[in-house]
Amino acid sequence: AQKITQTQPGMFVQEKEAVTLDCTYDTSDPSYGLFWYKQPSSGEMIFLIYQGSYDQQNATEGRYSLNFQKARKSANLVISASQLGDSAMYFCAMREGVLAGNQFYFGTGTSLTVIP
Amino acid sequence: GAVVSQHPSRVICKSGTSVKIECRSLDFQATTMFWYRQFPKKSLMLMATSNEGSKATYEQGVEKDKFLINHASLTLSTLTVTSAHPEDSSFYICSASEWRGRWEQFFGPGTRLTVL
Repeated sequence: AQKITQTQPGMFVQEKEAVTLDCTYDTSDPSYGLFWYKQPSSGEMIFLIYQGSYDQQNATEGRYSLNFQKARKSANLVISASQLGDSAMYFCAMREGVLAGNQFYFGTGTSLTVIP
Repeated sequence: GAVVSQHPSRVICKSGTSVKIECRSLDFQATTMFWYRQFPKKSLMLMATSNEGSKATYEQGVEKDKFLINHASLTLSTLTVTSAHPEDSSFYICSASEWRGRWEQFFGPGTRLTVL
């Protein structure tokens, strides 16, 4: 089974509107972390937001917020007030456990295009 | 803080030659580094986990004699693509783990390898 599933290969959003990028995960480890990264055409991976499995509140970082529904194992990224510079690939990732060597599992990504 | 560099950013080589890619953590020590490969518009594929002072752990299907990884110090890991062929052309990204109240991965900017 896939550890991370992103079902939207491509999304379009009007500038200044909000958009939700879906992510579901699969793990039996009670301790895990969920990450969202942005990858523009330059290729660098830019960290956006983090949600820990024991965090009681949904994470927020500026225009980014994470809609964490633990029972449904979903961790959707919400981008508010979209900007043209938000056009990029977005990856959801999960790390299981608490060890430094624990790998990150990445989803297949969602390509977001912001329309002026 | 937590800057990871990669060198070179782009390399073009002839088939049959070997190419070395360096990954450095510039302002922190990383006992664990990861090497990924990414095809166009695809997700990151973990190739191997590199631990300082020990042998790398390769993912299934990754040829360890083809992709040599050396993690000789706490700030440097290298990936050598030996006897490169056109099918090795790809975007290679490294990351390094650091404890920030949780284990985070900080990514290098990537290396685009083209084998002619």
